[in-house]
Amino acid sequence: SQTIHQWPATLVQPVGSPLSLECTVEGTSNPNLYWYRQAAGRGLQLLFYSVGIGQISSEVPQNLSASRPQDRQFILSSKKLLLSDSGFYLCAWTPGRLQETQYFGPGTRLLVL
Amino acid sequence: AQSVSQHNHHVILSEAASLELGCNYSYGGTVNLFWYVQYPGQHLQLLLKYFSGDPLVKGIKGFEAEFIKSKFSFNLRKPSVQWSDTAEYFCAVNTGGFKTIFGAGTRLFVKA
Repeated sequence: SQTIHQWPATLVQPVGSPLSLECTVEGTSNPNLYWYRQAAGRGLQLLFYSVGIGQISSEVPQNLSASRPQDRQFILSSKKLLLSDSGFYLCAWTPGRLQETQYFGPGTRLLVL
Repeated sequence: AQSVSQHNHHVILSEAASLELGCNYSYGGTVNLFWYVQYPGQHLQLLLKYFSGDPLVKGIKGFEAEFIKSKFSFNLRKPSVQWSDTAEYFCAVNTGGFKTIFGAGTRLFVKA
């Protein structure tokens, strides 16, 4: 069966520090991968999605970036965190090339101080 | 731009009460519709989905949703809620590409 992992689960970082959040999927190949930010009362905001290694589409311009160095690995990064980057970050995957049910990871809660 | 509206941000019900959560979307073409649920401390997971066919779809734990194309709606229903249904519920719409639009979510609290 497929599983999705995210780490760390919780992160507290100072403003201006770098960020690296990792997501890995097991038990499938060539998944579509997604990064979302979940804010209370605002639902899920799609940040990035990827249909293959090295292929990244950005939905929201901001100081975050994403990379997909391996088929089942998706990384969310920042060179300098802002206070507004605080939130709950979710990774998700879908099989195949068509949009289907999304399978979500446990999330990372990021607090920028 | 495509959007999804969930009418209630917070709902409080007593056990055995009936539930209906509203969801409307703005898109005139073919859509795939989803309801996701996030129970306290758990991953966001699929509750039910509609792609085509019977507009009344049934999901896990006794939930169902009805797609009414003329009203651009996909409301979630359950005849009798339980304390364990306490969760946050998200309506989502996909218009055929890689992007799914999520509503703001509805937090349901069921009093025992």
